[in-house]
Amino acid sequence: ILNVEQSPQSLHVQEGDSTNFTCSFPSSNFYALHWYRWETAKSPEALFVMTLNGDEKKKGRISATLNTKEGYSYLYIKGSQPEDSATYLCAFKNGGATNKLIFGTGTLLAVQP
Amino acid sequence: DVKVTQSSRYLVKRTGEKVFLECVQDMDHENMFWYRQDPGLGLRLIYFSYDVKMKEKGDIPEGYSVSREKKERFSLILESASTNQTSMYLCASTPTGGPPLHFGNGTRLTVT
Repeated sequence: ILNVEQSPQSLHVQEGDSTNFTCSFPSSNFYALHWYRWETAKSPEALFVMTLNGDEKKKGRISATLNTKEGYSYLYIKGSQPEDSATYLCAFKNGGATNKLIFGTGTLLAVQP
Repeated sequence: DVKVTQSSRYLVKRTGEKVFLECVQDMDHENMFWYRQDPGLGLRLIYFSYDVKMKEKGDIPEGYSVSREKKERFSLILESASTNQTSMYLCASTPTGGPPLHFGNGTRLTVT
């Protein structure tokens, strides 16, 4: 059974704080790792799709790293703002033939102004 | 921009009713998916389809069926709704070989 774990489950930070969360996934037969942001009352939107070991991606104040050999990815938010409040989901795809993604349970981030 | 539209934002149904959740995407994507989201469990795949009239079971297909008669539309059917199917349902699409997923806004279904 493929398992994707995210930690912490939830996080409360002050505006301006930098923060990071972890996604752990199986290290064998890796194909891709996705990060999504899901704001309340909106649809989840893709942040990053990462495929190469050592990959680092950045979008504004948000960045992500990938270590496929040890099976983890970090998502960093620099200088958190209230609009960053959302659930952050990671999803793992292995090298099988289908397009199935295995999602973690998410990290709920609340940024207090 | 890809648009994935789910027909209802909120739905309340009675136990035993047949329920249809509709999803339409406007970008000619081959792959479409139905997920449900429950607290503490993450998104779980119910069914997916990689072409018209093609479907595959996901991780939790019991109590559900799907229909894909046209490429842009993927319907999730609850043959006889039960209270344990109360959940948030998300539809998503993606082209063949091309992540990421594009999601709809979700349908929050309550079965009483």
